[in-house]
Amino acid sequence: DVKVTQSSRYLVKRTGEKVFLECVQDMDHENMFWYRQDPGLGLRLIYFSYDVKMKEKGDIPEGYSVSREKKERFSLILESASTNQTSMYLCASRPGTHYGYTFGSGTRLTVV
Amino acid sequence: GQQVMQIPQYQHVQEGEDFTTYCNSSTTLSNIQWYKQRPGGHPVFLIQLVKSGEVKKQKRLTFQFGEAKKNSSLHITATQTTDVGTYFCAGPPGGSYIPTFGRGTSLIVHP
Repeated sequence: DVKVTQSSRYLVKRTGEKVFLECVQDMDHENMFWYRQDPGLGLRLIYFSYDVKMKEKGDIPEGYSVSREKKERFSLILESASTNQTSMYLCASRPGTHYGYTFGSGTRLTVV
Repeated sequence: GQQVMQIPQYQHVQEGEDFTTYCNSSTTLSNIQWYKQRPGGHPVFLIQLVKSGEVKKQKRLTFQFGEAKKNSSLHITATQTTDVGTYFCAGPPGGSYIPTFGRGTSLIVHP
């Protein structure tokens, strides 16, 4: 089975800190994604990447950046964490454009 | 932009009753995907439908894709407590490869 691993299950950070969320997949998937999930708002796309070194903005990229230096790793960066970035962050990958996603277990980030 | 609506938002059923959730898009979709998220868990891919009018079954689950490729449904026959969770549909508008997710239907099964 494809495995998507997110480095932390729970994270607490202070306002203004730079935060790194890491995601690694082990099945050579081309595409990787970062979503945030909030009650009542569903899943919202932050950034995605079709391939190494490539990145595209999703629906809510403000306050975030990403890095994909290796095919298996896709990092989400909160440049200066704010309380409104408290959320569940889900990483996902897929082999190509016509496939469903495999999600990681999520990182629940609390910014205080 | 594209909107994907799911109804109902919540559904309570007694164990053994049937359940249906509906997904409607404001635009024609290239395909429709369905995911299940257990409480405290992450979304898990269930199935993808591609063709107009397509129907697929997985045991007690039946998935349909509308003729116009703008709507879909998931029907569960004789629900069990293991069916509890939130069911999401997701579909990319024609010409896109990025699916838009509905907000999900939360199924609560009472034993």
